[in-house]
Amino acid sequence: AQRVTQPEKLLSVFKGAPVELKCNYSYSGSPELFWYVQYSRQRLQLLLRHISRESIKGFTADLNKGETSFHLKKPFAQEEDSAMYYCALRKGYNKLIFGAGTRLAVHP
Amino acid sequence: DTAVSQTPKYLVTQMGNDKSIKCEQNLGHDTMYWYKQDSKKFLKIMFSYNNKELIINETVPNRFSPKSPDKAHLNLHINSLELGDSAVYFCASSQSPAEGYTFGSGTRLTVV
Repeated sequence: AQRVTQPEKLLSVFKGAPVELKCNYSYSGSPELFWYVQYSRQRLQLLLRHISRESIKGFTADLNKGETSFHLKKPFAQEEDSAMYYCALRKGYNKLIFGAGTRLAVHP
Repeated sequence: DTAVSQTPKYLVTQMGNDKSIKCEQNLGHDTMYWYKQDSKKFLKIMFSYNNKELIINETVPNRFSPKSPDKAHLNLHINSLELGDSAVYFCASSQSPAEGYTFGSGTRLTVV
């Protein structure tokens, strides 16, 4: 079954520290993966897609098919990065399956 | 110039009532969705419409009925509201699945 696992409910770091938000997936085909971010009481926003291999707000994510992972990384966390982060997997033509989310808290 | 707009933002109502949430997108997208975010922040798809046709209907109680009068609108009607329906409901749209979704700001439904 297709599944997205984000093992950490909460990740707490200090400003300037490196961040890695973990995402593992289970999918039998060629996966398409996304990271979404939800700042406090705001809408979910697309952060990045693995197919575009982009870096947004200093975040990057690399698809590792061997480890079935799509971890989100940032070398130096900022306080404004504090938010809920969701990893999502495209299933079928247009359905996204979301992980349970990880709350990132960046302390001054 | 909001891309995906939902109304109302907040909805507090009593058990047993019937309520509707409206969603409109001005992006020209063909596909629209309803997602439910529970108290633990878990997001789950409920419905998806492509050009007014229902294409995804997850295991949702039939008290929930989506209606798409045209491809720019997808409304959610809920009958006989229950305490467990309290959640944030997000509308979203997409044109190409590979591009991802654009979400509305959510409707926080509280059933008392």
